[in-house]
Amino acid sequence: QVQLVESGGGLAKPAGSLRLSCEASGFTLSDYNISWIRQAPGKGLEWVSYINSRGDTIKYADSVKGRFTISRDNAKNSLYLLMNSLRAEDTAVYYCARDIMALDYWGQGTLVTVSS
Amino acid sequence: EIVMTQSPATLSVSPGERATLSCRASQNIRSSYLAWYQQKPGQAPRLLIYGASTRAAGIPARFSGSGSGTEFTLTISSLQSEDFAVYYCQQYDNWPRGFGQGTRLEIK
Repeated sequence: QVQLVESGGGLAKPAGSLRLSCEASGFTLSDYNISWIRQAPGKGLEWVSYINSRGDTIKYADSVKGRFTISRDNAKNSLYLLMNSLRAEDTAVYYCARDIMALDYWGQGTLVTVSS
Repeated sequence: EIVMTQSPATLSVSPGERATLSCRASQNIRSSYLAWYQQKPGQAPRLLIYGASTRAAGIPARFSGSGSGTEFTLTISSLQSEDFAVYYCQQYDNWPRGFGQGTRLEIK
């Protein structure tokens, strides 16, 4: 069955970095676009970034532009979100989701906490 | 940027009754590029409806979506206990993809 599994979350200091990973199974990752979405504690959903199947179309929310970098390695069936210059307001559960324009499959999320 | 606004913020409904959730876009959404998601505590969101009115795979027929342009509705007929959750709408017409702030559906 289709599965997405995020990893790499944890505690980071303000101005620090983390790299999140998203591994796919049950489907061929290279055939699909992927988005990252985050959810701050007790808050709603915020779309963060998008990468198309070939990796040549990338989008970011204004809130992360210039700080976050999305990439993919189709050979490893994996996708990444490199987060630099982290801020307290980046604290959230980060989900990767298969993007068929709607988001049809989601991972269970990985928690990122930014605190000194 | 298209801003999505959901109403009400909280909806109290008795099991077996009908729930109607609204989602309004600040600009016209072309081709009904509108999705609805359900999220239960501690879980990832689940896709219910895409294209404003097409149920995703495995979604019960009691869930239906309607609307076009700037006004969209999710209707849940005959609420079951497992339907009490938070519901989000999302536009995928243009960038950035935007979600509504959510409607919490609670048991009356």
